[in-house]
Amino acid sequence: AQSVTQPDIHITVSEGASLELRCNYSYGATPYLFWYVQSPGQGLQLLLKYFSGDTLVQGIKGFEAEFKRSQSSFNLRKPSVHWSDAAEYFCAVGPFSGNMLTFGGGTRLMVKP
Amino acid sequence: DAGVIQSPRHEVTEMGQEVTLRCKPISGHDYLFWYRQTMMRGLELLIYFNNNVPIDDSGMPEDRFSAKMPNASFSTLKIQPSEPRDSAVYFCASSSRELNTEAFFGQGTRLTVV
Repeated sequence: AQSVTQPDIHITVSEGASLELRCNYSYGATPYLFWYVQSPGQGLQLLLKYFSGDTLVQGIKGFEAEFKRSQSSFNLRKPSVHWSDAAEYFCAVGPFSGNMLTFGGGTRLMVKP
Repeated sequence: DAGVIQSPRHEVTEMGQEVTLRCKPISGHDYLFWYRQTMMRGLELLIYFNNNVPIDDSGMPEDRFSAKMPNASFSTLKIQPSEPRDSAVYFCASSSRELNTEAFFGQGTRLTVV
C-alpha cells in the first residue's frame, strides 16, 4: 500500500531564513510526487510535481523539491521564506498525474517576523 | 475556466438531517475526486469517478454516504442521515488524464453537524 509521511507537524522559521520540509513515501511503482499548499479556509494549490527527468524540480512561489529514490524522499525547499508562505503544506503520491492521491499528514509552517 | 466550484461553502445542519454537497469540475476533465479533511485523519479520498462512472468508493466511510455524477459537469456527495462525526471539510477535485494535469481542488465545503 502507498503511504506518505511528513515527519514535522509544525515548523517555525524566521522570515528570510531557508526552509526544508521533509516528505518520505512508500509506493510500489514509479510514483508521481506532488507538493500542495493550503492557506486557511482555502483549497489546495499545486506547488510542483515530479514524475521523471531532472530530480530537482522547480515550482511556483520560489519553491523547489528534490527527488531522492534511494531515500524515498521528496523534500521541499525554499531559500528565503516570506511571511506569506505561512500555510499548511502537503506532500502526496499517486499513480499518474491526476489520480488517486495519497496525502501526508501535512506540515504547518509559521513564519516569524 | 473558473476552476472547481463547490457549494455551499459552509453548511450547518442538525444530526439526522440529509446533507448534499455539490461540485462542478473543470470543463473537459475526466476524473473527479471527493476528499474529506479532518484534524484526526487528515485528507482522505472518499470516492472517485472517471468519465462519470464511480471507479473506487472504498474510502466512503459508511452506507450513509453516497455520491453521484449524473453528467460530466456535476457531482453530488450526500450524507443521510448526518452525524456529528461527519463534521469536516469536504473537497472536490478534478483532473484530465489526456492532458496529464494534476488534480485541481475546489475551495471545499465546511460541514458542521450539531
